[in-house]
Amino acid sequence: SAVISQKPSRDICQRGTSLTIQCQVDSQVTMMFWYRQQPGQSLTLIATANQGSEATYESGFVIDKFPISRPNLTFSTLTVSNMSPEDSSIYLCSVEGLLGTEAFFGQGTRLTVV
Amino acid sequence: AQTVTQSQPEMSVQEAETVTLSCTYDTSESDYYLFWYKQPPSRQMILVIRQEAYKQQNATENRFSVNFQKAAKSFSLKISDSQLGDAAMYFCAYRRVLYSGAGSYQLTFGKGTKLSVIP
Repeated sequence: SAVISQKPSRDICQRGTSLTIQCQVDSQVTMMFWYRQQPGQSLTLIATANQGSEATYESGFVIDKFPISRPNLTFSTLTVSNMSPEDSSIYLCSVEGLLGTEAFFGQGTRLTVV
Repeated sequence: AQTVTQSQPEMSVQEAETVTLSCTYDTSESDYYLFWYKQPPSRQMILVIRQEAYKQQNATENRFSVNFQKAAKSFSLKISDSQLGDAAMYFCAYRRVLYSGAGSYQLTFGKGTKLSVIP
């Protein structure tokens, strides 16, 4: 299994500002995934981040709002830009296991925008 | 597009009893994976059990087992001898098998079932 460290664990931010969430994995992985979990809802994939290429965004998510960096095989960041209260959610980082048959998750970042 | 449906928003079970959480899914694929994830208040998503669609045998992990009915596209989770630590949100998830690295590794999640364990 992979150990994933995500920072910060929670934050309260003013609307109009940006927050960068970091995800560190204890092993090299090809793909990293960012999910959003809105209050009381399920997880929705924001984007897939491959090292050395631009992230692939799912429908409804755009790079200007959620820029992603993937500088190496163990690290990624997700920025939530120009935040509004609707961005209040849990954001989770995820990676595939070695066998490619299951996903492992970080502990999530609880973001509250006021 | 694949969809995953969990029809029970909330369930409760007495400690030491057995509970079954339901999940149905829709797909046109023949090869795929199904998962149950547990999310306690700590927010950490924890893999409970995995089932490969090509396997007829139901997966089992200690007190957790599944009833996988491929033709009916049903994937229920049975928790035996329920413990207080089992209280959490449980998410059913689907992912298709990818060949040659093409396509999305996206997990499709159901809306979740909140399980309460009564002492």
